[in-house]
Amino acid sequence: IAGITQAPTSQILAAGRRMTLRCTQDMRHNAMYWYRQDLGLGLRLIHYSNTAGTTGKGEVPDGYSVSRANTDDFPLTLASAVPSQTSVYFCASSEGQGATDTQYFGPGTRLTVL
Amino acid sequence: GQNIDQPTEMTATEGAIVQINCTYQTSGFNGLFWYQQHAGEAPTFLSYNVLDGLEEKGRFSSFLSRSKGYSYLLLKELQMKDSASYLCAVMDSNYQLIWGAGTKLIIKP
Repeated sequence: IAGITQAPTSQILAAGRRMTLRCTQDMRHNAMYWYRQDLGLGLRLIHYSNTAGTTGKGEVPDGYSVSRANTDDFPLTLASAVPSQTSVYFCASSEGQGATDTQYFGPGTRLTVL
Repeated sequence: GQNIDQPTEMTATEGAIVQINCTYQTSGFNGLFWYQQHAGEAPTFLSYNVLDGLEEKGRFSSFLSRSKGYSYLLLKELQMKDSASYLCAVMDSNYQLIWGAGTKLIIKP
């Protein structure tokens, strides 16, 4: 299949636990992104990667880490989850990071931290 | 700071026309995107404007005025399936997308 997959679809997590959200794309896109979406707020960029082996911080990176060991995978890790990290997390990818490079989104992970 | 403003919610009638406005203030401008997001689903790309003017794509059109920091998305011949949130996003000088909170469009029969 062509596109972006995310796992898990949803998760309930106890505060303080470690959690990795998985994201895989098969479009051979160079750039990948992690966003969180909260009610009443726009999508906010957590981390991004312009190409395999590089990562960068977005608007809200605290409490999150990412890695980009290869082109296809871009996992997001919460080292010690807190309730304010309850959100819907979307992974996205684009062919490049230029102005005309449309971002394509995965189906999202709904995370609840109690 | 950077800011994208769009109405929180709009209601329209099936078969009618609706215009969703978006105003922005960003550090730099490398284009404006519109995405559609159905409840519980991922955003999907609708349109991209980087030059002033109107871009038409079937029932959907998008307009941009860079001097006014303004865009609108025009939806014609509304269908029930158009009920969704519409997200406006601006690509800033760092080539990162700055997103509005979205406009929830409710279509009534």
